[in-house]
Amino acid sequence: QKEVEQNSGPLSVPEGAIASLNCTYSDRGSQSFFWYRQYSGKSPELIMSIYSNGDKEDGRFTAQLNKASQYVSLLIRDSQPSDSATYLCAGVTSGTYKYIFGTGTRLKVLA
Amino acid sequence: KAGVTQTPRYLIKTRGQQVTLSCSPISGHRSVSWYQQTPGQGLQFLFEYFSETQRNKGNFPGRFSGRQFSNSRSEMNVSTLELGDSALYLCASSLGAGEGLLQETQYFGPGTRLLVL
Repeated sequence: QKEVEQNSGPLSVPEGAIASLNCTYSDRGSQSFFWYRQYSGKSPELIMSIYSNGDKEDGRFTAQLNKASQYVSLLIRDSQPSDSATYLCAGVTSGTYKYIFGTGTRLKVLA
Repeated sequence: KAGVTQTPRYLIKTRGQQVTLSCSPISGHRSVSWYQQTPGQGLQFLFEYFSETQRNKGNFPGRFSGRQFSNSRSEMNVSTLELGDSALYLCASSLGAGEGLLQETQYFGPGTRLLVL
């Protein structure tokens, strides 16, 4: 069973701190990874995608991929209360178009 | 460019009925995936269509079916509804051909919230 695992949380961080969200995956064939943010009652919204080992930065967000250790992480710098949401990690094996989603980590940013 | 649209947004049905949900992908996207999301089970993959063909399938019973039209619009049908089918149904579209982040990135529609009584 190919899986993507995330800690369900909630992860609570104070406003202005760095939030670190982690995800591990079991399928070594997974090559592309995606982070989605989902507010309560809304649909998932794409935040970051990453394909290569290392870090990828976009504004306050940094995605990190380590294929040898099979983990993906998302760092949110200067966390804001508006970042409070569930963050979904997904992996896909190149060319298959079948996403495997984790169950999500609920983030709470405390004002 | 318009995003993914889904209709209807809300639906109330009774057990035993059937329902059809519709999804229009982003213009130029040829892959449409369907997901069921419930509080207990998270986001569960139903199936994916590309060029009118089902390319991937999740582990749902045959009561759940779908199709895709030549304009890439997709429909999902659930027959003989059960209480447990109450969920948020999401569709997501992507370019769907080739490899790489550009082709594989999925964008979600707003979802259809189905309540089965």
